[in-house]
Amino acid sequence: GQQVMQIPQYQHVQEGEDFTTYCNSSTTLSNIQWYKQRPGGHPVFLIQLVKSGEVKKQKRLTFQFGEAKKNSSLHITATQTTDVGTYFCAGSYNQGGKLIFGQGTELSVKP
Amino acid sequence: NAGVMQNPRHLVRRRGQEARLRCSPMKGHSHVYWYRQLPEEGLKFMVYLQKENIIDESGMPKERFSAEFPKEGPSILRIQQVVRGDSAAYFCASSQKGAGTEAFFGQGTRLTVV
Repeated sequence: GQQVMQIPQYQHVQEGEDFTTYCNSSTTLSNIQWYKQRPGGHPVFLIQLVKSGEVKKQKRLTFQFGEAKKNSSLHITATQTTDVGTYFCAGSYNQGGKLIFGQGTELSVKP
Repeated sequence: NAGVMQNPRHLVRRRGQEARLRCSPMKGHSHVYWYRQLPEEGLKFMVYLQKENIIDESGMPKERFSAEFPKEGPSILRIQQVVRGDSAAYFCASSQKGAGTEAFFGQGTRLTVV
């Protein structure tokens, strides 16, 4: 079935180190979205990628969508303690379809 | 412009009782999604609704669970005869035009079955 796999499940970094989480789908995605969930909170939309090979930046965050539209990554440069939380990718396979979430990557940052 | 409102925030039910979870989408949003999250786990899709229609309920158990999004009023996720395994956080999200547009999440309802 349609599934979005995300790795790693956990990542512990020292403040200032970089962080990357990866998402993979076995079939082509229509678009992919990224969300952040703080502990005890709810998912908050970060960004959407639609085009093959698309790269978008938000300050220290860089989002990429693969050429085949089957994978995506989120890279955070020089992590800060405020980056702590779980990062989810969510893909849809057709316009108007449901969003399928990856398992999430929980980021902890040691000051 | 109020965000997605879910209530109650916390719900405790005894085994066998019914749980009703409400979700009011953002103003102007006609697409609603329900997700379930177990501790330390991801968001599992349950059901996708548009006003008065169920678009996709492939993630919802066939028995005991139902969802609706009437023309007027909030979307309701109903769990009948709850069991301990139903304990989870249930999140509702709404969007303006369905997948392909930003989804806004409510703060969730944390259901505990005792």
